[in-house]
Amino acid sequence: RKEVEQDPGPFNVPEGATVAFNCTYSNSASQSFFWYRQDCRKEPKLLMSVYSSGNEDGRFTAQLNRASQYISLLIRDSKLSDSATYLCVVNFGWHSGGYQKVTFGTGTKLQVIP
Amino acid sequence: ETGVTQSPTHLIKTRGQQVTLRCSSQSGHNTVSWYQQALGQGPQFIFQYYREEENGRGNFPPRFSGLQFPNYSSELNVNALELDDSALYLCASSSQQGAYEQYFGPGTRLTVT
Repeated sequence: RKEVEQDPGPFNVPEGATVAFNCTYSNSASQSFFWYRQDCRKEPKLLMSVYSSGNEDGRFTAQLNRASQYISLLIRDSKLSDSATYLCVVNFGWHSGGYQKVTFGTGTKLQVIP
Repeated sequence: ETGVTQSPTHLIKTRGQQVTLRCSSQSGHNTVSWYQQALGQGPQFIFQYYREEENGRGNFPPRFSGLQFPNYSSELNVNALELDDSALYLCASSSQQGAYEQYFGPGTRLTVT
């Protein structure tokens, strides 16, 4: 089982739709969680950190479910500019080598259609 | 903008050659991580530098090596290039404090022919 798993998509949704992505992780002791957005041939950009209580930033809502070991990202009122790949990132905490082990999912591709 | 810079932006090398990629971290960040991202994949962790020492490495062979300088900038060196080394190389800057959010530079796209 992969440490971080995402549905690669693509998710093709019309403008104005609501879309949700899930990401599952393997280690229940994981420390922190993030969603990054990556445009084609560009670097990943931090979209949101995911907190235990859930958090919202405008049209974007992130949730954490520790019991089922997944995080989710909800995008409301999708815009054409939301078209990108969304990467789930899990910080598994301090590794025996003395660093914080961060693992990326392979990403979920979203295409918002006019 | 994250304040993380990388150079060069693009590079074409021949199999067997050596390459050095550079990264300047964001002000106030003392940790640099390097990632390799192949087309259609998520970034794969190569190694991390903290206070000028490598303190973590992913599943990459020793021909991938690096350095971190006193100003926290960093280099990634790859020897004996192979065709499969063609990828986007990303540098991420972070602090060891807090939730460990990472901020990426624009990347270097390496093509090995």
